[in-house]
Amino acid sequence: SQQGEEDPQALSIQEGENATMNCSYKTSINNLQWYRQNSGRGLVHLILIRSNEREKHSGRLRVTLDTSKKSSSLLITASRAADTASYFCATGHTGRRALTFGSGTRLQVQP
Amino acid sequence: EAGVAQSPRYKIIEKRQSVAFWCNPISGHATLYWYQQILGQGPKLLIQFQNNGVVDDSQLPKDRFSAERLKGVDSTLKIQPAKLEDSAVYLCASSLVGDREGQSRTFGSGTRLTVV
Repeated sequence: SQQGEEDPQALSIQEGENATMNCSYKTSINNLQWYRQNSGRGLVHLILIRSNEREKHSGRLRVTLDTSKKSSSLLITASRAADTASYFCATGHTGRRALTFGSGTRLQVQP
Repeated sequence: EAGVAQSPRYKIIEKRQSVAFWCNPISGHATLYWYQQILGQGPKLLIQFQNNGVVDDSQLPKDRFSAERLKGVDSTLKIQPAKLEDSAVYLCASSLVGDREGQSRTFGSGTRLTVV
């Protein structure tokens, strides 16, 4: 079963707008990671946030983590057509070996 | 640095046939993963190797799937015999060390398998 679930499943915005994707999970984590997947390609690691962190930035990306609500959000600011991709959250759990991926959010940025 | 290499890129086979996928991880990466990604879903871990030993194969359908990582570098994943529901993208990934907190994976482009 998949631990992280992204919301929304699909998102369409105009270039220059901000895109926000959410991830909810069920059990305690020690880290949460976001990945991007362009159509027909492998996943690319974007950012990792640890369970004792609340917010992290990387370029136009901002990730927040609320462990009390078991949720995370990924914000892409000033989106570009090249940001069109699927975005997955993956959760790492104490005692488990494998990252568990959600079903992803498909982002379409219209030029 | 060179990425994770996978081949073939695409494969179409008939059900009950056999198929094999190959992966060459990033040089020096001790940990290698095989994932299955069905269309519209996130990747699901099939097997994880640490060097040439299996760390986790709990979700590998062992009646038909097998994987090996001889010499702790390249790896092959085999399906024998294939079923229609095996149609998916098979992704290989590697990381520097084992599944410690904070380890991200580098993924290959995957092999898209279609079983007809």
